[in-house]
Amino acid sequence: DGGITQSPKYLFRKEGQNVTLSCEQNLNHDAMYWYRQDPGQGLRLIYYSQIVNDFQKGDIAEGYSVSREKKESFPLTVTSAQKNPTAFYLCASSRNPVSLTDTQYFGPGTRLTVL
Amino acid sequence: AQKITQTQPGMFVQEKEAVTLDCTYDTSDQSYGLFWYKQPSSGEMIFLIYQGSYDEQNATEGRYSLNFQKARKSANLVISASQLGDSAMYFCAMREARMDSNYQLIWGAGTKLIIKP
Repeated sequence: DGGITQSPKYLFRKEGQNVTLSCEQNLNHDAMYWYRQDPGQGLRLIYYSQIVNDFQKGDIAEGYSVSREKKESFPLTVTSAQKNPTAFYLCASSRNPVSLTDTQYFGPGTRLTVL
Repeated sequence: AQKITQTQPGMFVQEKEAVTLDCTYDTSDQSYGLFWYKQPSSGEMIFLIYQGSYDEQNATEGRYSLNFQKARKSANLVISASQLGDSAMYFCAMREARMDSNYQLIWGAGTKLIIKP
């Protein structure tokens, strides 16, 4: 079964800690994305990567970091510099990121709570 | 200014009725794409339907169709014969073809749809 997996499903973090959210895809997609979702709001782009070993900041990259060492994997680290990290985090991938019709497919999400 | 506006924060609809979810967008581009996604309470975003700005026909996908009115800049999602499993958040998103947009999706705030038995 092709798809996108995210782990863990729920994550609790103490203030001042860095945490890493995992995202893996076996769809052979070139592009991967990280979004943040807050209650009552649409998705906001944190980082995206159109190719291995390259990634770009999205609209709200401050306090986050990513890496893209393998095509299948795009982990997101939420650093202690992120002031309000409690949110739902969604990872997505797509085949052709510079096409107008390119469809993004999503993983099940990770809910991060700061204690 | 909001690029994607979904004016209905929440809707209640009787099972088996058709439902229309509104989406208006703002762009000066001639070339763009519009997407609808469904987000059940489990959280995963599920792609439903796509409409390109140059598509002459309204997009359809099973019980989903798009009422695309280009001059009005609206792309309303129509769900026919609603089912209890349609209860979810629904998001409209747009991609512009401009280089400075980096081809990224712009998202609306969503509409919460609840289907009543």
